[in-house]
Amino acid sequence: DVKVTQSSRYLVKRTGEKVFLECVQDMDHENMFWYRQDPGLGLRLIYFSYDVKMKEKGDIPEGYSVSREKKERFSLILESASTNQTSMYLCASRPIKNTGELFFGEGSRLTVL
Amino acid sequence: DAKTTQPPSMDCAEGRAANLPCNHSTISGNEYVYWYRQIHSQGPQYIIHGLKNNETNEMASLIITEDRKSSTLILPHATLRDTAVYYCIVRVAFSGGSNYKLTFGKGTLLTVNP
Repeated sequence: DVKVTQSSRYLVKRTGEKVFLECVQDMDHENMFWYRQDPGLGLRLIYFSYDVKMKEKGDIPEGYSVSREKKERFSLILESASTNQTSMYLCASRPIKNTGELFFGEGSRLTVL
Repeated sequence: DAKTTQPPSMDCAEGRAANLPCNHSTISGNEYVYWYRQIHSQGPQYIIHGLKNNETNEMASLIITEDRKSSTLILPHATLRDTAVYYCIVRVAFSGGSNYKLTFGKGTLLTVNP
C-alpha cells in the first residue's frame, strides 16, 4: 500500500516562529502536494511539485514556501508563522501516469498562538 | 471543473447499503466523477472514479446516469467505520504535470448507525 507520512500530527507554535512540516511518500511518486483544510473552505492547494527540485504555486502560496530536494520528501515551510495559518495541513502524492487518485497523509494540525 | 451538489448529511443502518447521491448537471464530456471520503481527523481517502460506465471496486460501486448529470456512490454493506464525509468531485482526468487541482466541496456526512 502507498504510504504518505506527515512528520507531526499536532504542532503548537508561537507567532513569528519558523515552522517546518515534512511529508514523505514511499512509492516513488513524481507529484506531491500541500493543501490546507479549514472549516467551510474545503481543501485549498498551497504548493505542488512535479518532480525533484520542481515547485509551482497553488491557490494560496502567500506566507509559505516549499522544498523538494529528494523525490520522496516534500517540505512545507512557514517562514514566520501567523495566527491565520492555524489549520489542518494535508500532504498528498500521485504517480505521473495515474489518472485517478491522490494519496493523502493523515494531516498535521498546526496551532499558532 | 463542473459544480457538484450533495446533501449535507445522510444516515444509514449498519449492514445496509448506503446510497450517496451527487448532482453534476454541468459536467463536460471529458470530466470524470471522483469520490473521496474523509474520516474525522484523517486525510481524504480515494474511493473510486468513473467517466461514463458504472464502476466497482473493493470499496464501492459508482453508478453514473446515462446523461451523466448525476451519480450515486453505493457502499453495499455499510459499517460503523464508513462514517465519514463523502466528497463528489468532477474534473478532467489527472494527466500531465500541470493538471493538479482537486477542489473539495462540503460533501455529505454519512453517519452509519448500529
